[in-house]
Amino acid sequence: KQEVTQIPAALSVPEGENLVLNCSFTDSAIYNLQWFRQDPGKGLTSLLLIQSSQREQTSGRLNASLDKSSGRSTLYIAASQPGDSATYLCAVRIIQGAQKLVFGQGTRLTINP
Amino acid sequence: SQTIHQWPATLVQPVGSPLSLECTVEGTSNPNLYWYRQAAGRGLQLLFYSVGIGQISSEVPQNLSASRPQDRQFILSSKKLLLSDSGFYLCAWSLGTGGTTDTQYFGPGTRLTVL
Repeated sequence: KQEVTQIPAALSVPEGENLVLNCSFTDSAIYNLQWFRQDPGKGLTSLLLIQSSQREQTSGRLNASLDKSSGRSTLYIAASQPGDSATYLCAVRIIQGAQKLVFGQGTRLTINP
Repeated sequence: SQTIHQWPATLVQPVGSPLSLECTVEGTSNPNLYWYRQAAGRGLQLLFYSVGIGQISSEVPQNLSASRPQDRQFILSSKKLLLSDSGFYLCAWSLGTGGTTDTQYFGPGTRLTVL
């Protein structure tokens, strides 16, 4: 059974810092890995999707990497801003079943002005 | 462009009352549809998914049921709510192409509180 773990559960940093969020998964049989952002009381917004054959994806100040063999992914946020404050969720799309996503519990990020 | 709607946005219901949450998708045909629950302090849990009208798969045994009466409509129901049904319910859709780029798009969610 696929399990996804995110560390840390919460993170608070001053504005302007670069930071890394971690995600690990137990089964390397995945189609892709996604990072989502969730604002309080809101739905999920997809930030980056890394296909199983890819090593990384970049969008603006965000960079996500994938090491499928070791079951790890990182989300790097450069020059953090208060608007980056949110919960970040990692999810893997498993090969078995109807494109099911398995989510981690998320990292709650707070950027202090 | 595609849009996904959920209603109501918030709901407070007494224990033992019925439930009906609705999700509709616009701008696409024959999407895969999903219901997730996010309980306090826990991750998202997939409850049901559907690959077509009348085709529902349940992921976990529970007090809830789902139906897909139309191609782009997905309904989550319960005959009698339990306290443990409280949570944030999210509907999602995907093209279901099966490729490595296939992704799910989430609705705004419904906050359900059972008292």
